[in-house]
Amino acid sequence: EPEVTQTPSHQVTQMGQEVILRCVPISNHLYFYWYRQILGQKVEFLVSFYNNEISEKSEIFDDQFSVERPDGSNFTLKIRSTKLEDSAMYFCASGRGINQETQYFGPGTRLLVL
Amino acid sequence: GENVGLHLPTLSVQEGDNSIINCAYSNSASDYFIWYKQESGKGPQFIIDIRSNMDKRQGQRVTVLLNKTVKHLSLQIAATQPGDSAVYFCAENREPGGGNKLTFGTGTQLKVEL
Repeated sequence: EPEVTQTPSHQVTQMGQEVILRCVPISNHLYFYWYRQILGQKVEFLVSFYNNEISEKSEIFDDQFSVERPDGSNFTLKIRSTKLEDSAMYFCASGRGINQETQYFGPGTRLLVL
Repeated sequence: GENVGLHLPTLSVQEGDNSIINCAYSNSASDYFIWYKQESGKGPQFIIDIRSNMDKRQGQRVTVLLNKTVKHLSLQIAATQPGDSAVYFCAENREPGGGNKLTFGTGTQLKVEL
């Protein structure tokens, strides 16, 4: 059964450093998402991406964040200058369509900013 | 896991009993709902979904009920097994016909006792 995969599983970085989180969505999916879950809190939407552009983003997704699909398979989330409060689990998800279509989540990347 | 420290509602059931996990949503315009299961250290795993034009949907050992009048969603797990122990989240699509952002609830911790 196809799955969303994410790398790395864990990332430790110093405050102010750039990080890139990588995701390989399910191959026939067209819609891609990033969510995050701060320890002890709910899963929160960050951004959705379709047809090589952002279709929606939350207020969390400020100028420090960017997403890219550099090739036909990878979908990346870049945090340009990490802050302590960026420490969280970051989940990638993908779906076949929009509106009433299931989103399938990857296993997550645990980011720790020191 | 991700939810350490979160004061989640907890449901404890005996193995073999049926479990009912509840979720209240706030947006009457939400038209699509998903139940996810999250085990410690893993991403949300799709269990079952339901569209707003339905009030019941059944899967393997699971049933989702939707009551739009009171904005309530429930997940019923039949013959609960130790492997069902996890945090269960309901998620809603609050923007029918528009974006596909999912909004997650706070989750319920299900503990299956042998």
